[in-house]
Amino acid sequence: QSALTQPASVSGSPGQSITISCTGSSRDVGGYNSVSWYQQYAGKAPKLIIYEVSIRPSGVSNRFSGSQSGNTASLTISGLQAEDEADYYCTSYTRTSMLGYVFGSGTKVTVL
Amino acid sequence: QVQLVQSGAEVKRPGASVKVSCKASGYTFTDYYIHWVRQAPGQGLEWMGWMNPDDGGTNPAQKFQGRVAMTRDASINTAYMELSSLTSDDTAVFYCARTVTTRIDVWGTGTTVTVSS
Repeated sequence: QSALTQPASVSGSPGQSITISCTGSSRDVGGYNSVSWYQQYAGKAPKLIIYEVSIRPSGVSNRFSGSQSGNTASLTISGLQAEDEADYYCTSYTRTSMLGYVFGSGTKVTVL
Repeated sequence: QVQLVQSGAEVKRPGASVKVSCKASGYTFTDYYIHWVRQAPGQGLEWMGWMNPDDGGTNPAQKFQGRVAMTRDASINTAYMELSSLTSDDTAVFYCARTVTTRIDVWGTGTTVTVSS
């Protein structure tokens, strides 16, 4: 189970929008409506910010949005704020012999 | 509130095994799968496998098959992950996590495992 491919880093100025991609295959991202996104600050556990491609959990800012096209999912952060500086990971179901999970390689977001 | 509280940090010698516990509270333990995820220093998240606390069924990731055991004691709402034949590459923070359908909605407190001679 190879990790889903994410850019290592993305940066933007406050107020701008940035997009993080998460590319897999038909065995994972493209095969299921299951992509989730997590935000992680250094030394902390990850936090769910998007699930099932585009659904925001209660309490998550509407500046975070998700989408998917084929085997690539995307997370967009609009109105970038200093507090958005963190690591972001996507995850998806994947099927080998049984249904499992696979994480993305992770993206460091820097607010300039 | 829903919580997953993990056991404390461990230091192990290469070749040894480590067993991490994850105590659930605030919900019905057998209603939600428990997953294990690890994160090596400065690295990304890595899925290790899931366990069904209701019947004890497991699905370890291919990379860990034969080396990881995921078990539970439902009477005390606790899940366990035991990793054997440790090497320095296993030095990491290990998280248990609860899933609701497609997503992890609750993460454990994390357990740091250091493998060093």
